[in-house]
Amino acid sequence: DSGVTQTPKHLITATGQRVTLRCSPRSGDLSVYWYQQSLDQGLQFLIQYYNGEERAKGNILERFSAQQFPDLHSELNLSSLELGDSALYFCASSVEGTGGGKLFFGSGTQLSVL
Amino acid sequence: GENVEQHPSTLSVQEGDSAVIKCTYSDSASNYFPWYKQELGKRPQLIIDIRSNVGEKKDQRIAVTLNKTAKHFSLHITETQPEDSAVYFCAASTTGGGNKLTFGTGTQLKVEL
Repeated sequence: DSGVTQTPKHLITATGQRVTLRCSPRSGDLSVYWYQQSLDQGLQFLIQYYNGEERAKGNILERFSAQQFPDLHSELNLSSLELGDSALYFCASSVEGTGGGKLFFGSGTQLSVL
Repeated sequence: GENVEQHPSTLSVQEGDSAVIKCTYSDSASNYFPWYKQELGKRPQLIIDIRSNVGEKKDQRIAVTLNKTAKHFSLHITETQPEDSAVYFCAASTTGGGNKLTFGTGTQLKVEL
């Protein structure tokens, strides 16, 4: 167990809908990261937050947004869902906010858009 | 931005043999190179990492080498065992401006009995 908690484990929804994925980092970790994993795209970096502030941004769609709350948990909001958004979404956390920090991944949320 | 290429995409070895996975990166400013192992249906787990001021690092049957000049790094697994079967990802990141880890596309390693 990495200490990173993600909920829910599975999510099935329809196109056009909006969902929220939740992540609680390891105790003491200030950084939270979101990654998308699909069969043909590998692990794609979406966004990083450090102590409540956005720190780095990857190829995150405008339909997606995230935030990190004062208690350091994070939420990833996906809206106007499309079939292609079906993927495994991982949250990870680390102590550091800058490069070189070891990432610890949660178990992921499997999103299926029907 | 950073681009990480990983080869091979699949690798099949006999139990007891060695396995080598290679990665190249594009950003010369990258200075942290971790390797993650992901078993089927599980989360990626860090197995070893190396920083740019080190050329080689070992941890039991696993070793990683880094060639900064050529911008490539490799994972070496010796005496492979069936439990080594998994997908292995290399990654690279730079200091400053966040910790954006860019991953390779993964190598499916199968260790056959």
